Amino acid sequence: EAGVTQFPSHSVIEKGQTVTLRCDPISGHDNLYWYRRVMGKEIKFLLHFVKESKQDESGMPNNRFLAERTGGTYSTLKVQPAELEDSGVYFCASSSRGRLFFGSGTQLSVL
Amino acid sequence: AQSVAQPEDQVNVAEGNPLTVKCTYSVSGNPYLFWYVQYPNRGLQFLLKYITGDNLVKGSYGFEAEFNKSQTSFHLKKPSALVSDSALYFCAVRDNSGNTPLVFGKGTRLSVIA
Repeated sequence: EAGVTQFPSHSVIEKGQTVTLRCDPISGHDNLYWYRRVMGKEIKFLLHFVKESKQDESGMPNNRFLAERTGGTYSTLKVQPAELEDSGVYFCASSSRGRLFFGSGTQLSVL
Repeated sequence: AQSVAQPEDQVNVAEGNPLTVKCTYSVSGNPYLFWYVQYPNRGLQFLLKYITGDNLVKGSYGFEAEFNKSQTSFHLKKPSALVSDSALYFCAVRDNSGNTPLVFGKGTRLSVIA
């Protein structure tokens, strides 16, 4: 069974540019989560989808971040415009019955 | 609010020695506790969890963790460390309502030296 897949694995952009991260969950998993880890700090929750609906987006930092999950399959997380403090590793996870399966993350560097 | 503290940024241990990675938590109600491990260039991998029952939980790769309610701790342990155990370890907690997201600690880097 394929795991959670994230693209790209690394992204380096300049401040003010736009970046879109993609997550493909495990097939059949209704729950999809985005998390972020800023270097040396805890992994912080961003938001949670159940199928195509946003169940909880309390962790989204501000309105420069937009997450979508059209059709309840893959999800995208867009940062526009990117700021220096957005740098970090963005993790996606999916679950069907409680246990989370994580992707390998996208390392985002904003210069 | 839920929170997790991992007081050590780095733990160094000699191969063959026992290891402990510390975790304390704060949560309303009964906790669900987890340990995840991240190897270089890999995603977070589930190691073990405590939901209810026996306070000593056994997980993957010979790891175990002990739930201590009075000390609100869930330390990760292994009797004999391997060099291949070197990785980043994350403790996580959520309450048992099923409506709150998993909250992680900041991680502890374990280095096992041959």
